[in-house]
Order: sequence, then C-alpha cells, then structure tokens
Amino acid sequence: EPEVTQTPSHQVTQMGQEVILRCVPISNHLYFYWYRQILGQKVEFLVSFYNNEISEKSEIFDDQFSVERPDGSNFTLKIRSTKLEDSAMYFCASRYSSNQPQHFGDGTRLSIL
Amino acid sequence: GDSVTQMEGPVTLSEEAFLTINCTYTATGYPSLFWYVQYPGEGLQLLLKATKADDKGSNKGFEATYRKETTSFHLEKGSVQVSDSAVYFCALISMNYGGSQGNLIFGKGTKLSVKP
Repeated sequence: EPEVTQTPSHQVTQMGQEVILRCVPISNHLYFYWYRQILGQKVEFLVSFYNNEISEKSEIFDDQFSVERPDGSNFTLKIRSTKLEDSAMYFCASRYSSNQPQHFGDGTRLSIL
Repeated sequence: GDSVTQMEGPVTLSEEAFLTINCTYTATGYPSLFWYVQYPGEGLQLLLKATKADDKGSNKGFEATYRKETTSFHLEKGSVQVSDSAVYFCALISMNYGGSQGNLIFGKGTKLSVKP
C-alpha cells in the first residue's frame, strides 16, 4: 500500500537555525497537510496546501514557517529561525479528494537545542 | 472554536477486557468524526470514521457511534489484545475552520496498554 514518507525521522538543530522537514506524499494525492505535536499535547493543524498554494493555515503557522512543493513529489516545511518551543513531532499528511481520509507519515521529531 | 476532548490516559487493561475511550466534541454544524491510532514508533493511521449522526464506524473489532445528542464518539472494543496497545486519537473535521480542505482537529490522545 502506498505510504507518506517523511525524512529525517529525527532532526536536532541549534536555536536560530533554519530547518527543512521533508515529506513525500502519496503520488496521486492532491491535498497536503502539516501537523505538529508538542510532547504530551494535542496534534495541532499547521497548514493545508492544494493546487500549489496554501489553502488554510492556523495561528501557529506564522511568518517563520513556509511550505513548498518544489518538484511535484516533495512537500517541505521550512522553519526559518527555530525557537526552543518549535521542538515537537511534525506530521505530514495527504489525501486524494475531499471525501477521502488523510494518510499520515511516521513523523519527524524536531529537537531544538 | 471547535474542539475535541478525550478521556485522560494512560489506560491499562488485561487481555480480553472491554475497552471504552470517551470522546466528546464541540463544533458548529455537523462535523465528520474520526479515530486515529498510533502504534509505537509509527505514524497516525485511520482506525474508523463516521460522517453523520447515528453512523457507526467499525474496524478491527473497534466501534464508535456518532451521537449528536450527546456530542460524543466513544471508542469501544469488546475484547482487547496486546497488539492493540497504542495511542488513540479522536478527531473531527471542522466545517467552520477550513472544512472544505479537511483540516483535522485532534484530541490529546489516550495511551492504551494491554497486558497479557
């Protein structure tokens, strides 16, 4: 069965550095998402992406965050200047259409030092 | 805003025990409701869903019924196995917050441990 794949599985970065989290959604999917889960807290929606543009974003998704689909297969989340509170598990998800469920990757654990 | 509340974990049960994980929601309109499961070291997997009132979602022996009158979607299983040990997340798609794009709102998750 096709899967959403995320790399790396664990990223350790110094505070203030830029980090890029990578996702390869399922190939025929059209809707893409990023979520995050701070340790011990809820999974929170960050952003959705459709038709090569952001369709929705949450309050968390401020100017330090950006997303790209650079080559038709990858879907990246960039954090420009990381803060300690960005430490979390980041999940990518995709789906084919609005009446299909989202498929999630295994997540990237981001640790900011 | 829309939200999901789950019972606090962890929940520890013996094999073949009955499981209930409570989930209630607050939403405007009629959201679609989901249970996701996260096995150790893995991502989130859809377990079951219900899209309208009185629908019952079921999968792998788990069931949940969409109760509009009590705004609940409790997860149940009659006889749990050790392999069911995981974290279970209740979620909804908010029809107000980007409902057309299907953004999920999750509960905090409930960790289930099943002992042999």
